[in-house]
Amino acid sequence: QLQLQESGPGLVKPSETLSLTCTVSGGSISSSNYYWGWIRQPPGKGLEWIASFYYSGSTYYNPSLKSRVTLSVDTSKNQFSLKLSSVTAADTAVYYCARRLYGSGIDYWGQGTLVTVSS
Amino acid sequence: DIQMTQSPSSLSASIGDRVTITCRASQGISNYLAWFQQKPGKAPKSLIYAASSLQSGVPSKFSGSGSGTDFTLTISTLQPEDFATYYCQQYSVYPLTFGGGTKVEI
Repeated sequence: QLQLQESGPGLVKPSETLSLTCTVSGGSISSSNYYWGWIRQPPGKGLEWIASFYYSGSTYYNPSLKSRVTLSVDTSKNQFSLKLSSVTAADTAVYYCARRLYGSGIDYWGQGTLVTVSS
Repeated sequence: DIQMTQSPSSLSASIGDRVTITCRASQGISNYLAWFQQKPGKAPKSLIYAASSLQSGVPSKFSGSGSGTDFTLTISTLQPEDFATYYCQQYSVYPLTFGGGTKVEI
């Protein structure tokens, strides 16, 4: 059974960089035809897609966040990471990592991790 | 960006009711539409992909339909565990976008 687990600091100061890692078990992030990515949800609000990468290496970013987002992949650890720079209170959210099959919808989600931006 | 508009934003229903939620895309997305269920404090659960295909393990009381710009999610017989918020998402083009959600309440 595939599992995704987010990890990282739960509190980040304004103007600093938010860093999260998604560790995948039960499957490989190098598997063909899968996208892996990040989605966030501010408290009490809806879902917002942040960024994704394809197993072949292509990356995709939400234009509204692209200038502040960096995705990285560590296939040796079966992990991928998100960095979001220059954070403000508006970046306070539960951050989820997720997997999507090419041509299909998201099938697996991590449990999510709350990141609060506050001094 | 493709805007996804869900209606209603909330609804009240009773056990045993048939419930239908609508999702409209601002431009055609073929059938690249997914539906998710989210309960308070939990990660979303994937229900449907390709507008009408059930994810593995999802009960058949859930069904989806539509193509192009108009889509529906139907719960045939509402049970206590179905009270949640439901989201649609298009994956036809980037950026991927979600509807605003529909909260199904007792």
